[in-house]
Amino acid sequence: QQQVKQSPQSLIVQKGGISIINCAYENTAFDYFPWYQQFPGKGPALLIAIRPDVSEKKEGRFTISFNKSAKQFSLHIMDSQPGDSATYFCAALVDKLIFGTGTRLQVFP
Amino acid sequence: NAGVTQTPKFQVLKTGQSMTLQCAQDMNHNSMYWYRQDPGMGLRLIYYSASEGTTDKGEVPNGYNVSRLNKREFSLRLESAAPSQTSVYFCASSADRNTEAFFGQGTRLTVV
Repeated sequence: QQQVKQSPQSLIVQKGGISIINCAYENTAFDYFPWYQQFPGKGPALLIAIRPDVSEKKEGRFTISFNKSAKQFSLHIMDSQPGDSATYFCAALVDKLIFGTGTRLQVFP
Repeated sequence: NAGVTQTPKFQVLKTGQSMTLQCAQDMNHNSMYWYRQDPGMGLRLIYYSASEGTTDKGEVPNGYNVSRLNKREFSLRLESAAPSQTSVYFCASSADRNTEAFFGQGTRLTVV
C-alpha cells in the first residue's frame, strides 16, 4: 500500500524549461512534506520542505506548491539546468518518513 | 563533520550468510532509520528508532533485526540473507521524529 504516490516516473526537460513533479498522499496526519534529491551513488539529500499550514514555499529555482484539501503537493524546478539531472523523491512525515517512488529527471542542454 | 556514516559501502553475501550493517551519526540526533532502495520502489522503511532504547518496525521488516546500541549507533542485521534482500541500504537520522532526515552514502548489498 503506497501511502505517497509520485508521478511521473521519469521526466525529460530541455535546459531552461520547467520541471514539475507531483505527489499525492492519503494520511491526513502527515504534517511535514520534504523533497529529496539523489545523485547516482549518493544518499538522498534534503532539497526543500513545507508544512501544511503554508500553500507555497520557494527557495531559489525550487518551489513547492501544497494543496491540503486535495492532499496533493508538487515540486516545480524553474529554469532547469543539466546539473539538476537526478532522482527526486517526495516524502511525508508523521513519526516516520514515508517516500514516494521517485522521479528520474534528465535535463538536456 | 561526518554526518551519517555507513559501513561497509559494498558487500556480496551468499544465500544463508549473515551480516550486520553499521551506522553511526555524529549530530546528536535522537531518531535513526534504516531504508532499502530498489528500482521503481523508492525508499522503503525497514526499522526505525525514535529514541535511544526503542525500535519499531517499518514497512518491510521481515528478515531483518536492528539494535540501537547507543544514541550514535544503529545497526541492521540480516540473519540469513536471501536474494530478495539484494538492495541498496540507507541509514538516516533526524533530530526528532518530526524533523528532516539526513542520509548516509548507502551500502550496496548483493546476495547470490
